[in-house]
Amino acid sequence: TQLLEQSPQFLSIQEGENLTVYCNSSSVFSSLQWYRQEPGEGPVLLVTVVTGGEVKKLKRLTFQFGDARKDSSLHITAAQPGDTGLYLCAGEIGGKLIFGQGTELSVKP
Amino acid sequence: NAGVTQTPKFQVLKTGQSMTLQCAQDMNHEYMSWYRQDPGMGLRLIHYSVGAGITDQGEVPNGYNVSRSTTEDFPLRLLSAAPSQTSVYFCASSYQTGGPLNNSPLHFGNGTRLTVT
Repeated sequence: TQLLEQSPQFLSIQEGENLTVYCNSSSVFSSLQWYRQEPGEGPVLLVTVVTGGEVKKLKRLTFQFGDARKDSSLHITAAQPGDTGLYLCAGEIGGKLIFGQGTELSVKP
Repeated sequence: NAGVTQTPKFQVLKTGQSMTLQCAQDMNHEYMSWYRQDPGMGLRLIHYSVGAGITDQGEVPNGYNVSRSTTEDFPLRLLSAAPSQTSVYFCASSYQTGGPLNNSPLHFGNGTRLTVT
């Protein structure tokens, strides 16, 4: 059983479309991070959200932490081919960082 | 700074063989961890360490041993490899003690791709 459920697992869209990736759990997290991973490399941090209800923006990416700190979402506006990659959410619980299954995003020109 | 360095990049083992995956970081990070990444499973925590001399189990510790004799190094040992251990292994470190977050991101190595036949 996955502690953090991420959806969808695969997403293939055209350039210019918007998309949302969800990260859900029944557990409460101290904080939650989103990472992006490219083939052959390790994940790289995009953002950390700490407060329930917090919203952070990173250019065309908007991250939200649920009020109860059990879920999060990543919204990408006007996706570009350079956004292609694996997106991972990770929640801190008990001093450990636990990851979701990841969302494989493909943005076609 | 080199960051987090993992060796080797690729390894093929036969069932029952043993090996050590090396991980070193030059950022003076207290927190280090090992993950395995399998298709559709994301990253699963194997073992972690909050400082030299301290290690603890993660989500999937069986079949793996770790030690942390120095701040810089955190090797992962497979004592008797099994085909189920075929995976990509990532080592990651973080500055923050007592927890990896609060604006202290995990820094990942580039992974070791292990195949057990």
